[in-house]
Amino acid sequence: SQTIHQWPATLVQPVGSPLSLECTVEGTSNPNLYWYRQAAGRGLQLLFYSVGIGQISSEVPQNLSASRPQDRQFILSSKKLLLSDSGFYLCAWSPRGRENIQYFGAGTRLSVL
Amino acid sequence: AQSVAQPEDQVNVAEGNPLTVKCTYSVSGNPYLFWYVQYPNRGLQFLLKYITGDNLVKGSYGFEAEFNKSQTSFHLKKPSALVSDSALYFCAVRDMTTDSWGKLQFGSGTQVVVTP
Repeated sequence: SQTIHQWPATLVQPVGSPLSLECTVEGTSNPNLYWYRQAAGRGLQLLFYSVGIGQISSEVPQNLSASRPQDRQFILSSKKLLLSDSGFYLCAWSPRGRENIQYFGAGTRLSVL
Repeated sequence: AQSVAQPEDQVNVAEGNPLTVKCTYSVSGNPYLFWYVQYPNRGLQFLLKYITGDNLVKGSYGFEAEFNKSQTSFHLKKPSALVSDSALYFCAVRDMTTDSWGKLQFGSGTQVVVTP
């Protein structure tokens, strides 16, 4: 069966520090991968999605970037965090060719102080 | 562009009573619709989807949803709510533009509170 791992679960970082959140998927190949941010426990904002290694599409211009160095690895990064980067970050994957259901990781709670 | 709307920020229901969470959609063409549930500090869990076929879709944990094309609605329902159903519920529609690669447009979410 397929599983998605996301870490760390919580993170507290000072303003101006770098960020690296990692997401990996097991039990499948060539997945579509997604990064979302959920602010104030409500709406979901799609940040990035990827359909293959090195292929990243950005939905919202911002202080963050994403990379996909391996087929089942998706990384969310920032060189310098802002206060407004605080939130709940969710990674998700969907099967290639049947892109109907997205499966989510447990999320990372990021607090920028 | 595809979109969904969840008109209620919160729904309160007593345990054992029927639960309905509302969702309306706006799409060009046939919609692919989904419901997800999120428990506190957790990721989203898939509940059910409508792609085609019967208008009444059954999903996980006793939930079902009714697709109504004339009213452009996809309401989530449960005949008898449990306290453990208290969570945040999201309706979503698949973005059907050619280069969307299965992106979903999520609603703003509805908080369900089930009281004992």
